[in-house]
Amino acid sequence: QTVVTQEPSFSVSPGGTVTLTCGLTPGSVSTTFYPSWYQQTPGQPPRTLIYNTNIRSSGVPHRFSGSILGNRAALTITGAQADDECDYYCVLYMGSGISVFGGGTKLTVL
Amino acid sequence: QLQLRESGPGLVKPSETLSLTCTVSGGSITTDYYYWGWIRQPPGKGLEWVASVYYSGTAYYNPSLKSRVTISVDTSRNQFSLKLTSVTATDTSLYYCARLHTSGSPDSWGQGTLVSVSS
Repeated sequence: QTVVTQEPSFSVSPGGTVTLTCGLTPGSVSTTFYPSWYQQTPGQPPRTLIYNTNIRSSGVPHRFSGSILGNRAALTITGAQADDECDYYCVLYMGSGISVFGGGTKLTVL
Repeated sequence: QLQLRESGPGLVKPSETLSLTCTVSGGSITTDYYYWGWIRQPPGKGLEWVASVYYSGTAYYNPSLKSRVTISVDTSRNQFSLKLTSVTATDTSLYYCARLHTSGSPDSWGQGTLVSVSS
């Protein structure tokens, strides 16, 4: 069974840089999985941050960036702000119309 | 600006069928290179892709739900719909409709509708 893995939680200091990752068990993530990233605050629908590995969605600040690091997809937040504290999800495309979400990472800014 | 709005009953009895509709406005559901889909989120838990459909009617399903799910599209009404049969309490979730790139990534989301399964 294919599982998309994310760190359950992460913390970053205000103004700091944090990299959240998205892995695949079994296997490794590459651009062919078209990784995308979403931000979700409580009570709100997800907000699209990044799609196709590193394309920023309209209106998303440049301090959010996507990449492949080793065998994982990565979301890097540079200059973390208090309102970045929320949940982050990745999605990988498995082909044949099938998408799989990661379990999400709860980011704390303190 | 594209908008998606979910509608349907907020309460469904166990073993019955959950039916939801998503109405798309501010854009056409027949746009090339986009799918239309459903994503759900149990209270306090993560997101799960349920199903997607192209305007031609070609549909894709989460393998873990495939035996119970049907997604369909009505281009004349700019709507698409979800049916989930034989529901149990584990199907209680916030259901979002979304537009997805053909690469499988959602880019526009509805506000979501909570469906509870309870007798």
